[in-house]
Amino acid sequence: GAGVSQSPSNKVTEKGKDVELRCDPISGHTALYWYRQSLGQGLEFLIYFQGNSAPDKSGLPSDRFSAERTGGSVSTLTIQRTQQEDSAVYLCASSLLSGRAKNIQYFGAGTRLSVL
Amino acid sequence: AQSVTQPDIHITVSEGASLELRCNYSYGATPYLFWYVQSPGQGLQLLLKYFSGDTLVQGIKGFEAEFKRSQSSFNLRKPSVHWSDAAEYFCAVGDQAGTALIFGKGTTLSVSS
Repeated sequence: GAGVSQSPSNKVTEKGKDVELRCDPISGHTALYWYRQSLGQGLEFLIYFQGNSAPDKSGLPSDRFSAERTGGSVSTLTIQRTQQEDSAVYLCASSLLSGRAKNIQYFGAGTRLSVL
Repeated sequence: AQSVTQPDIHITVSEGASLELRCNYSYGATPYLFWYVQSPGQGLQLLLKYFSGDTLVQGIKGFEAEFKRSQSSFNLRKPSVHWSDAAEYFCAVGDQAGTALIFGKGTTLSVSS
């Protein structure tokens, strides 16, 4: 597609439920990143996938959070047993790792998660 | 520790006036520096980037930024602000390995008429 696509754009869930957030990166981009944007916290890195290498999970806040990237393209961020503090906007970005556009991250519009 | 500081949480500028948004960074490696803009309900749009070379970089929408290594700064400027520039602006730092960006907490720009 033309840009990074995220779905759903909004998600309301009850505390304790699991949620899945999806990211479709720009075609051909080998790196994919998840960030969380909370009120007053700015943007926090969660996880990133770089080509075929093992993902860097160092930003995941707890073991309730996980992500996978299938076929080197689409990624799903899963939050299990959601808590109210998980309410935030989850942003996905992708980039190339070579060429003139290397290391420029392009962002999707985000998924706004509300945990009631 | 690696960090980005945007000292101004909120700035109000009159339409047509000049703008400077401050950004200071602390980074162990050679920094790649970025400014992004976010309008309400939108994702982040890249305004400009600095990787190497000329320390004054031009971006979209008439913005420019200057990298000053001695001051660890990468301030964003625009000579004449338009009402449509009202948004939140984020400074970020990364590296050539393509690791995740470290963002400042953002500066909200309001434009008065």
